Amino acid sequence: QQQVKQSPQSLIVQKGGISIINCAYENTAFDYFPWYQQFPGKGPALLIAIRPDVSEKKEGRFTISFNKSAKQFSLHIMDSQPGDSATYFCAASRAMTTDSWGKFQFGAGTQVVVTP
Amino acid sequence: DGGITQSPKYLFRKEGQNVTLSCEQNLNHDAMYWYRQDPGQGLRLIYYSQIVNDFQKGDIAEGYSVSREKKESFPLTVTSAQKNPTAFYLCASRQNTEAFFGQGTRLTVV
Repeated sequence: QQQVKQSPQSLIVQKGGISIINCAYENTAFDYFPWYQQFPGKGPALLIAIRPDVSEKKEGRFTISFNKSAKQFSLHIMDSQPGDSATYFCAASRAMTTDSWGKFQFGAGTQVVVTP
Repeated sequence: DGGITQSPKYLFRKEGQNVTLSCEQNLNHDAMYWYRQDPGQGLRLIYYSQIVNDFQKGDIAEGYSVSREKKESFPLTVTSAQKNPTAFYLCASRQNTEAFFGQGTRLTVV
């Protein structure tokens, strides 16, 4: 079963606009929530991550909002640029222990296209 | 320069052949993972390993095999039992929180 659900599947935004991607998780034991950015033919790269003890984290134009009670988190890309056109994945994991092995559960991905 | 190196970048397999994808890391990470990526399906876990000489099946292990003889290396073999192997394969390693990914190998059956 899919433990992390991501929406929308794709997104078209004009340059300068705001891109918003949402994720919902089921397992309350998850305690690390990263977002990865992937360009075609490349491996994913960490964009920004959050732990459940904070409700928001901002790095430059990228912000994660986290709602622990709703088991949801979202990525906001402010002032979107054509260079932001990529696929974005949310993920969730538990801290690395013998039981969890640090496995990530990934969302299905959102393809973002920023038009000039 | 630390990181994860996957090779080859492109690989072509004939029907019935086994092929091995290489993954090497110099980050001194204990945990390593193999994921398969298909369009619209995100990343699915094939195998993972936390220590040398030990590994576990992920969600889609059928038709695949791995070994972990050295901490730095975690090769994936796609066997002839994998009926639909055409995909993009990603190797990752992790220590504590952040996971680092290689650049991937695109496998195509011809």
